[in-house]
Amino acid sequence: DAMVIQNPRYQVTQFGKPVTLSCSQTLNHNVMYWYQQKSSQAPKLLFHYYDKDFNNEADTPDNFQSRRPNTSFCFLDIRSPGLGDAAMYLCATSRATGGRTEAFFGQGTRLTVV
Amino acid sequence: QQQVKQSPQSLIVQKGGISIINCAYENTAFDYFPWYQQFPGKGPALLIAIRPDVSEKKEGRFTISFNKSAKQFSLHIMDSQPGDSATYFCAASSYGGKLIFGQGTELSVKP
Repeated sequence: DAMVIQNPRYQVTQFGKPVTLSCSQTLNHNVMYWYQQKSSQAPKLLFHYYDKDFNNEADTPDNFQSRRPNTSFCFLDIRSPGLGDAAMYLCATSRATGGRTEAFFGQGTRLTVV
Repeated sequence: QQQVKQSPQSLIVQKGGISIINCAYENTAFDYFPWYQQFPGKGPALLIAIRPDVSEKKEGRFTISFNKSAKQFSLHIMDSQPGDSATYFCAASSYGGKLIFGQGTELSVKP
């Protein structure tokens, strides 16, 4: 049973055309993360939500935005995708209670910019 | 101080051999150390994790060894199989904090 679901699995967008990636979870976790992973690299954290609190990484470009309308859903908006934004985008969730930070990842969305 | 350094970058092991991947960290506030396995085109999947109050944790063929004084931890895969061929990431976090990933190790198990 999929617990962290990302849609779509593959997304092709035009240079400069806004795109939205979505993530939903059935785990009722209070923390949701968005990571960017480029080929042969480690996942790089873009931002995360701790409940409703948004936490942006210092080096995340302004081009990347996020929304979390409720506990189950989180969106990644790329306002003006560039060729360098082509990557796998990973959503993850965790329950930050009792010192546990076990994170569950979705299957990812492969973004291609043409 | 937030970095987690992982080595080697790539590893080739014969079927049945032992695969060993090492990680080191600086931040003494880290209190949770998971290992993730990632197959091409898939998201990372949690493999095994350890807290600093134990020195070793074993789950099947996978063992984490943890050395708190040296701030190092390692993953041992016993009886390595071709199906274990994947990229492995160590990670670390502190309470309620974000996961910091190592650079990854691409493991290839030859039949």
